[in-house]
Amino acid sequence: GENVEQHPSTLSVQEGDSAVIKCTYSDSASNYFPWYKQELGKRPQLIIDIRSNVGEKKDQRIAVTLNKTAKHFSLHITETQPEDSAVYFCAASAGGSQGNLIFGKGTKLSVKP
Amino acid sequence: NAGVTQTPKFQVLKTGQSMTLQCAQDMNHNSMYWYRQDPGMGLRLIYYSASEGTTDKGEVPNGYNVSRLNKREFSLRLESAAPSQTSVYFCASSSLPARGRFNQPQHFGDGTRLSIL
Repeated sequence: GENVEQHPSTLSVQEGDSAVIKCTYSDSASNYFPWYKQELGKRPQLIIDIRSNVGEKKDQRIAVTLNKTAKHFSLHITETQPEDSAVYFCAASAGGSQGNLIFGKGTKLSVKP
Repeated sequence: NAGVTQTPKFQVLKTGQSMTLQCAQDMNHNSMYWYRQDPGMGLRLIYYSASEGTTDKGEVPNGYNVSRLNKREFSLRLESAAPSQTSVYFCASSSLPARGRFNQPQHFGDGTRLSIL
């Protein structure tokens, strides 16, 4: 079945720097790759997603890139702010198209003022 | 428009007790999911329901049962709670992708924090 690996598990940056989180997946049939942000004690919230027919998507300070050949995708956050501090999860759609997602184990991002 | 609503928000049980976690969505989604979240483990799928009338096991189904009561509601039952089931439980819903089309975003509820002593 699908397996999603996420790195790093923790990431600390200075305010204003960029942050990059990387994920790899195993199922070549995966076609949908969302990223979720989870603040302490809150629900995971979708921040950006990308479908397999595009290589890059950007939304203000957040961008996601996808390399289908290498089976990896990355989240890029530019000009980080303290409110970006949270746990970020990547996910990949599981084969079978029943809507299932397989999640990475998460990256705890800390942005220091 | 509440999205995905879970009840209760917190619960403490004793080992061996039973409990049902409730989930309802008002987005007219076909698919619903139950996850558990443990420190350092991410979100692991317990059971899912691709459409009304169907349920299937996910990655960690042992010790749980589910019921898709109707299109809106999907409940998770612990028949005999064990300390290993102490976790935060999230319900989610999404539209079912049309055949050959892309998956759709999943929307999460606020979670149920369950402690089993």
